[in-house]
Amino acid sequence: EAQVTQNPRYLITVTGKKLTVTCSQNMNHEYMSWYRQDPGLGLRQIYYSMNVEVTDKGDVPEGYKVSRKEKRNFPLILESPSPNQTSLYFCASSINRFHEQYFGPGTRLTVT
Amino acid sequence: DQQVKQNSPSLSVQEGRISILNCDYTNSMFDYFLWYKKYPAEGPTFLISISSIKDKNEDGRFTVFLNKSAKHLSLHIVPSQPGDSAVYFCAASDASGTYKYIFGTGTRLKVLA
Repeated sequence: EAQVTQNPRYLITVTGKKLTVTCSQNMNHEYMSWYRQDPGLGLRQIYYSMNVEVTDKGDVPEGYKVSRKEKRNFPLILESPSPNQTSLYFCASSINRFHEQYFGPGTRLTVT
Repeated sequence: DQQVKQNSPSLSVQEGRISILNCDYTNSMFDYFLWYKKYPAEGPTFLISISSIKDKNEDGRFTVFLNKSAKHLSLHIVPSQPGDSAVYFCAASDASGTYKYIFGTGTRLKVLA
């Protein structure tokens, strides 16, 4: 089954404790992306990757890091999480930017 | 600055009638537009898209219209069904080489039985 998986689905952590949210797709997609969803703000792109070893900033990259060492995986790293990073995070992938993105189920992160 | 705007946070429509969801954008470099539907506790799912070289695209009950001069697109759902109740996001892709996606803030559609 074609899918995008994210782990964990729920995470409660404390300020400053490094964490990684994993994202994996099994569709051989080149384009992958991370978004955060906040009330009243919609979905905002954090980082995206056009292909292996090619990543670039979206609209809200501050406080986040990503890497794309393999085509299927695109982890999101919060080196020192802060409460303003409490949000619902989605990973997505697509063949390229002219095709629809497939989204993962989301990761709800709470930073206290 | 919000480059993609959905000015109606919510919309209620009677079952069987037409639902019209609107989206405005400011960046003339956007060349590809998409609509996604999102149910609670799930990721968004793709609905329909349109390239900037077209002004209309249809897929079953869903039609997207693009008015480039007005920088406006709309999604028409005919007839509306209770299962269409969800949050709808429009999104735009930038042709200027950044490969970013910009999403609107979403419109919550409620179809009343």
